[in-house]
Amino acid sequence: GAVVSQHPSWVICKSGTSVKIECRSLDFQATTMFWYRQFPKQSLMLMATSNEGSKATYEQGVEKDKFLINHASLTLSTLTVTSAHPEDSSFYICSARERRGVNTQYFGPGTRLTVL
Amino acid sequence: GQQLNQSPQSMFIQEGEDVSMNCTSSSIFNTWLWYKQDPGEGPVLLIALYKAGELTSNGRLTAQFGITRKDSFLNISASIPSDVGIYFCAGQLEGNQFYFGTGTSLTVIP
Repeated sequence: GAVVSQHPSWVICKSGTSVKIECRSLDFQATTMFWYRQFPKQSLMLMATSNEGSKATYEQGVEKDKFLINHASLTLSTLTVTSAHPEDSSFYICSARERRGVNTQYFGPGTRLTVL
Repeated sequence: GQQLNQSPQSMFIQEGEDVSMNCTSSSIFNTWLWYKQDPGEGPVLLIALYKAGELTSNGRLTAQFGITRKDSFLNISASIPSDVGIYFCAGQLEGNQFYFGTGTSLTVIP
């Protein structure tokens, strides 16, 4: 149980284009999903907290107009990187917190974004 | 955001040795989680701790929630090559979000 999937796992795009990453909780309902960014050999940096049916809460320094987050259902959240630039290249990981049960979060496998 | 200090930053050990790493914070946390991350993959939950003083095991792994609620440690006994990876602690304050430690990179030499 408690499986989180991400799609795509790897994406390469041209500078200036937009990329959408999906995060799904496969076998549980997640009222809250989190989006992280991770650079090589560094820790996870929280970008935003997404609650189902409401606007995401962004961490300081994260541009909400550049990183659009939608949490339309209890099992799906999407992160859209708009007008991507090479400096946006990174490993993006989502996690989901169960609606019921123990207080923890389960991570997706991550999405490697490379912007040319 | 909150800063969790994790140490050591990296470890190189012989197969069969025990490993100990810890996480400290200036803030009081309600929950501590320990994760392992392999290259190119998302973190995998190892152990979750919810009460001060709690000691929990998962196979060869043991973790404790510090009495002060400002720290936690993870021990791995009799290390094996597949223990290689980066270990992260994560702590939760009031509310939803978790804050991550800086990570401990573990290398096990056969």
